[in-house]
Amino acid sequence: AQRVTQPEKLLSVFKGAPVELKCNYSYSGSPELFWYVQYSRQRLQLLLRHISRESIKGFTADLNKGETSFHLKKPFAQEEDSAMYYCALWGGTASKLTFGTGTRLQVTL
Amino acid sequence: GAGVSQSPSNKVTEKGKDVELRCDPISGHTALYWYRQSLGQGLEFLIYFQGNSAPDKSGLPSDRFSAERTGGSVSTLTIQRTQQEDSAVYLCASSLRRQPYGYTFGSGTRLTVV
Repeated sequence: AQRVTQPEKLLSVFKGAPVELKCNYSYSGSPELFWYVQYSRQRLQLLLRHISRESIKGFTADLNKGETSFHLKKPFAQEEDSAMYYCALWGGTASKLTFGTGTRLQVTL
Repeated sequence: GAGVSQSPSNKVTEKGKDVELRCDPISGHTALYWYRQSLGQGLEFLIYFQGNSAPDKSGLPSDRFSAERTGGSVSTLTIQRTQQEDSAVYLCASSLRRQPYGYTFGSGTRLTVV
């Protein structure tokens, strides 16, 4: 079975502070991991995926197979980063993405 | 259309009534997914359609829930005898074939059962 765990329901940081949204997964094979974001009153959208090893809006995420983690990081938080963030796993043989419960990031002045 | 369209955007229904939620995917997308988004539960997979294959219904929470996809395009999610715990946002997504990074989500239907 595959599972995604996001331990924090809410993460509140000050503008300019570093951000780390935690994601741990459970899967026996080689997964593909993703971060999705939902801004207020907007649709859920893909933020980044581990296979492309890209930085989007200053966010990066590294897949750590040893720790089965895919934490999302940004060195300096901006107000516009405030949103709901979901970590998701694609298990290859499965036909759908498995999502975590989400973390609400709140960036305050 | 340019995106995934869901209707209605909001639905308030009385407990015990049946509801139908509609999803119109992006033209040409053969894969269609339904998820439920509720507070504290994250996104819960409900059902998946891929072309003419039998749907993956493994996420449907009870037999009160059913879905169909006609002509490989529009999909309808039906909830019979609604209960208060069915209150949630129901999201539809489509993708080109079975690929994980091409999900395009609709804006959802907010269902409130009173």
